[in-house]
Amino acid sequence: AQTVTQSQPEMSVQEAETVTLSCTYDTSESDYYLFWYKQPPSRQMILVIRQEAYKQQNATENRFSVNFQKAAKSFSLKISDSQLGDAAMYFCAYAAGNQFYFGTGTSLTVIP
Amino acid sequence: NAGVMQNPRHLVRRRGQEARLRCSPMKGHSHVYWYRQLPEEGLKFMVYLQKENIIDESGMPKERFSAEFPKEGPSILRIQQVVRGDSAAYFCASSPSARVTDTQYFGPGTRLTVL
Repeated sequence: AQTVTQSQPEMSVQEAETVTLSCTYDTSESDYYLFWYKQPPSRQMILVIRQEAYKQQNATENRFSVNFQKAAKSFSLKISDSQLGDAAMYFCAYAAGNQFYFGTGTSLTVIP
Repeated sequence: NAGVMQNPRHLVRRRGQEARLRCSPMKGHSHVYWYRQLPEEGLKFMVYLQKENIIDESGMPKERFSAEFPKEGPSILRIQQVVRGDSAAYFCASSPSARVTDTQYFGPGTRLTVL
């Protein structure tokens, strides 16, 4: 079975600082995709970044980057220069076949 | 290009009533996914549909829940005889194809409250 684990229920970061959210997953598939989604208080799910498992290069989107360790099945999200608007729930997700599997989320607080 | 639309945004039902949740995918998207998010939890896959077909309903409860995506009109998630445990946020997502390479685009969700 595919599972996604986010071991940090809550994290906080000072504004302008850097924070890393961790995610591990379990799979026997070789072809899959990994995503980070952000869910602000509005409850909308917003795609932050995605990574194809066959690519060794870590994905980057502006202030957001990932550290993808395929052998360790680890997929952490680094947020640089944190902003107040980054405060939200962050969900790690794994996708293969028809389905997405989500972790339980990490609630990120940004301290002014 | 409007995003994924869901309505209603909030729905209140009494135990035993029916709940109908609607999802209009993004223009050009023919693949729809439904997820349920219980309080303090992540999203759980329920069902995957293409136009007029249910492709994968492995995450959907066997009783009281049904979903459809007709040739014309939105996708509907129907919950009959609702119980308090059905209270949750229900999210719909759409994608242009079945390939997992295609990102799923999420709607704003419908928050169902069962009294």
